[in-house]
Amino acid sequence: ETGVTQSPTHLIKTRGQQVTLRCSSQSGHNTVSWYQQALGQGPQFIFQYYREEENGRGNFPPRFSGLQFPNYSSELNVNALELDDSALYLCASSLAGGWEAFFGQGTRLTVV
Amino acid sequence: AQSVTQLDSHVSVSEGTPVLLRCNYSSSYSPSLFWYVQHPNKGLQLLLKYTSAATLVKGINGFEAEFKKSETSFHLTKPSAHMSDAAEYFCVVMPLPGSSNTGKLIFGQGTTLQVKP
Repeated sequence: ETGVTQSPTHLIKTRGQQVTLRCSSQSGHNTVSWYQQALGQGPQFIFQYYREEENGRGNFPPRFSGLQFPNYSSELNVNALELDDSALYLCASSLAGGWEAFFGQGTRLTVV
Repeated sequence: AQSVTQLDSHVSVSEGTPVLLRCNYSSSYSPSLFWYVQHPNKGLQLLLKYTSAATLVKGINGFEAEFKKSETSFHLTKPSAHMSDAAEYFCVVMPLPGSSNTGKLIFGQGTTLQVKP
């Protein structure tokens, strides 16, 4: 176990709805990254938060947004859900200056 | 732009035989390269990492990988497969040099390793 926890583990939403996914980072880690893993694909980088500020973003539209809190936990928000948003969403925490990212088990989002 | 290509989407071996999972990278910089493993219904686990030190990198569970700049390759090997090695394996590159980009990773498409009894 990595100490990175994500909630919920599974979620079903309807197209057009909004969703919030949560991540608690490993103790002492100040950086959180979010990834989307579609079925049969490798994870794709969505964005990263460092000390409550966005610190880099992948090729995802603005309806994907996030927050990081003072305790370094993080949320991923997705507005106007589309069917293609169905995927496993992974959170990874790391320590700025370190080499390793520690992943949670993910949230499986299904959009119907 | 940096990228990784995993040359096999599926590899099948018998238990006790060697494992070879192939990865080629493209990078303008001296890259940082990783192999991660993903077991069903579990998170991603780091197997090993190359960060411009020794070119032969040893990881957990008997896995190792060799960085070959001339071939732009970072293949993962294990001398003897175990049933518990069956999983999805990802070759990963960190897009920019420097540890300030920890966590900003570019993943390959993955290789499914099947281990037959």
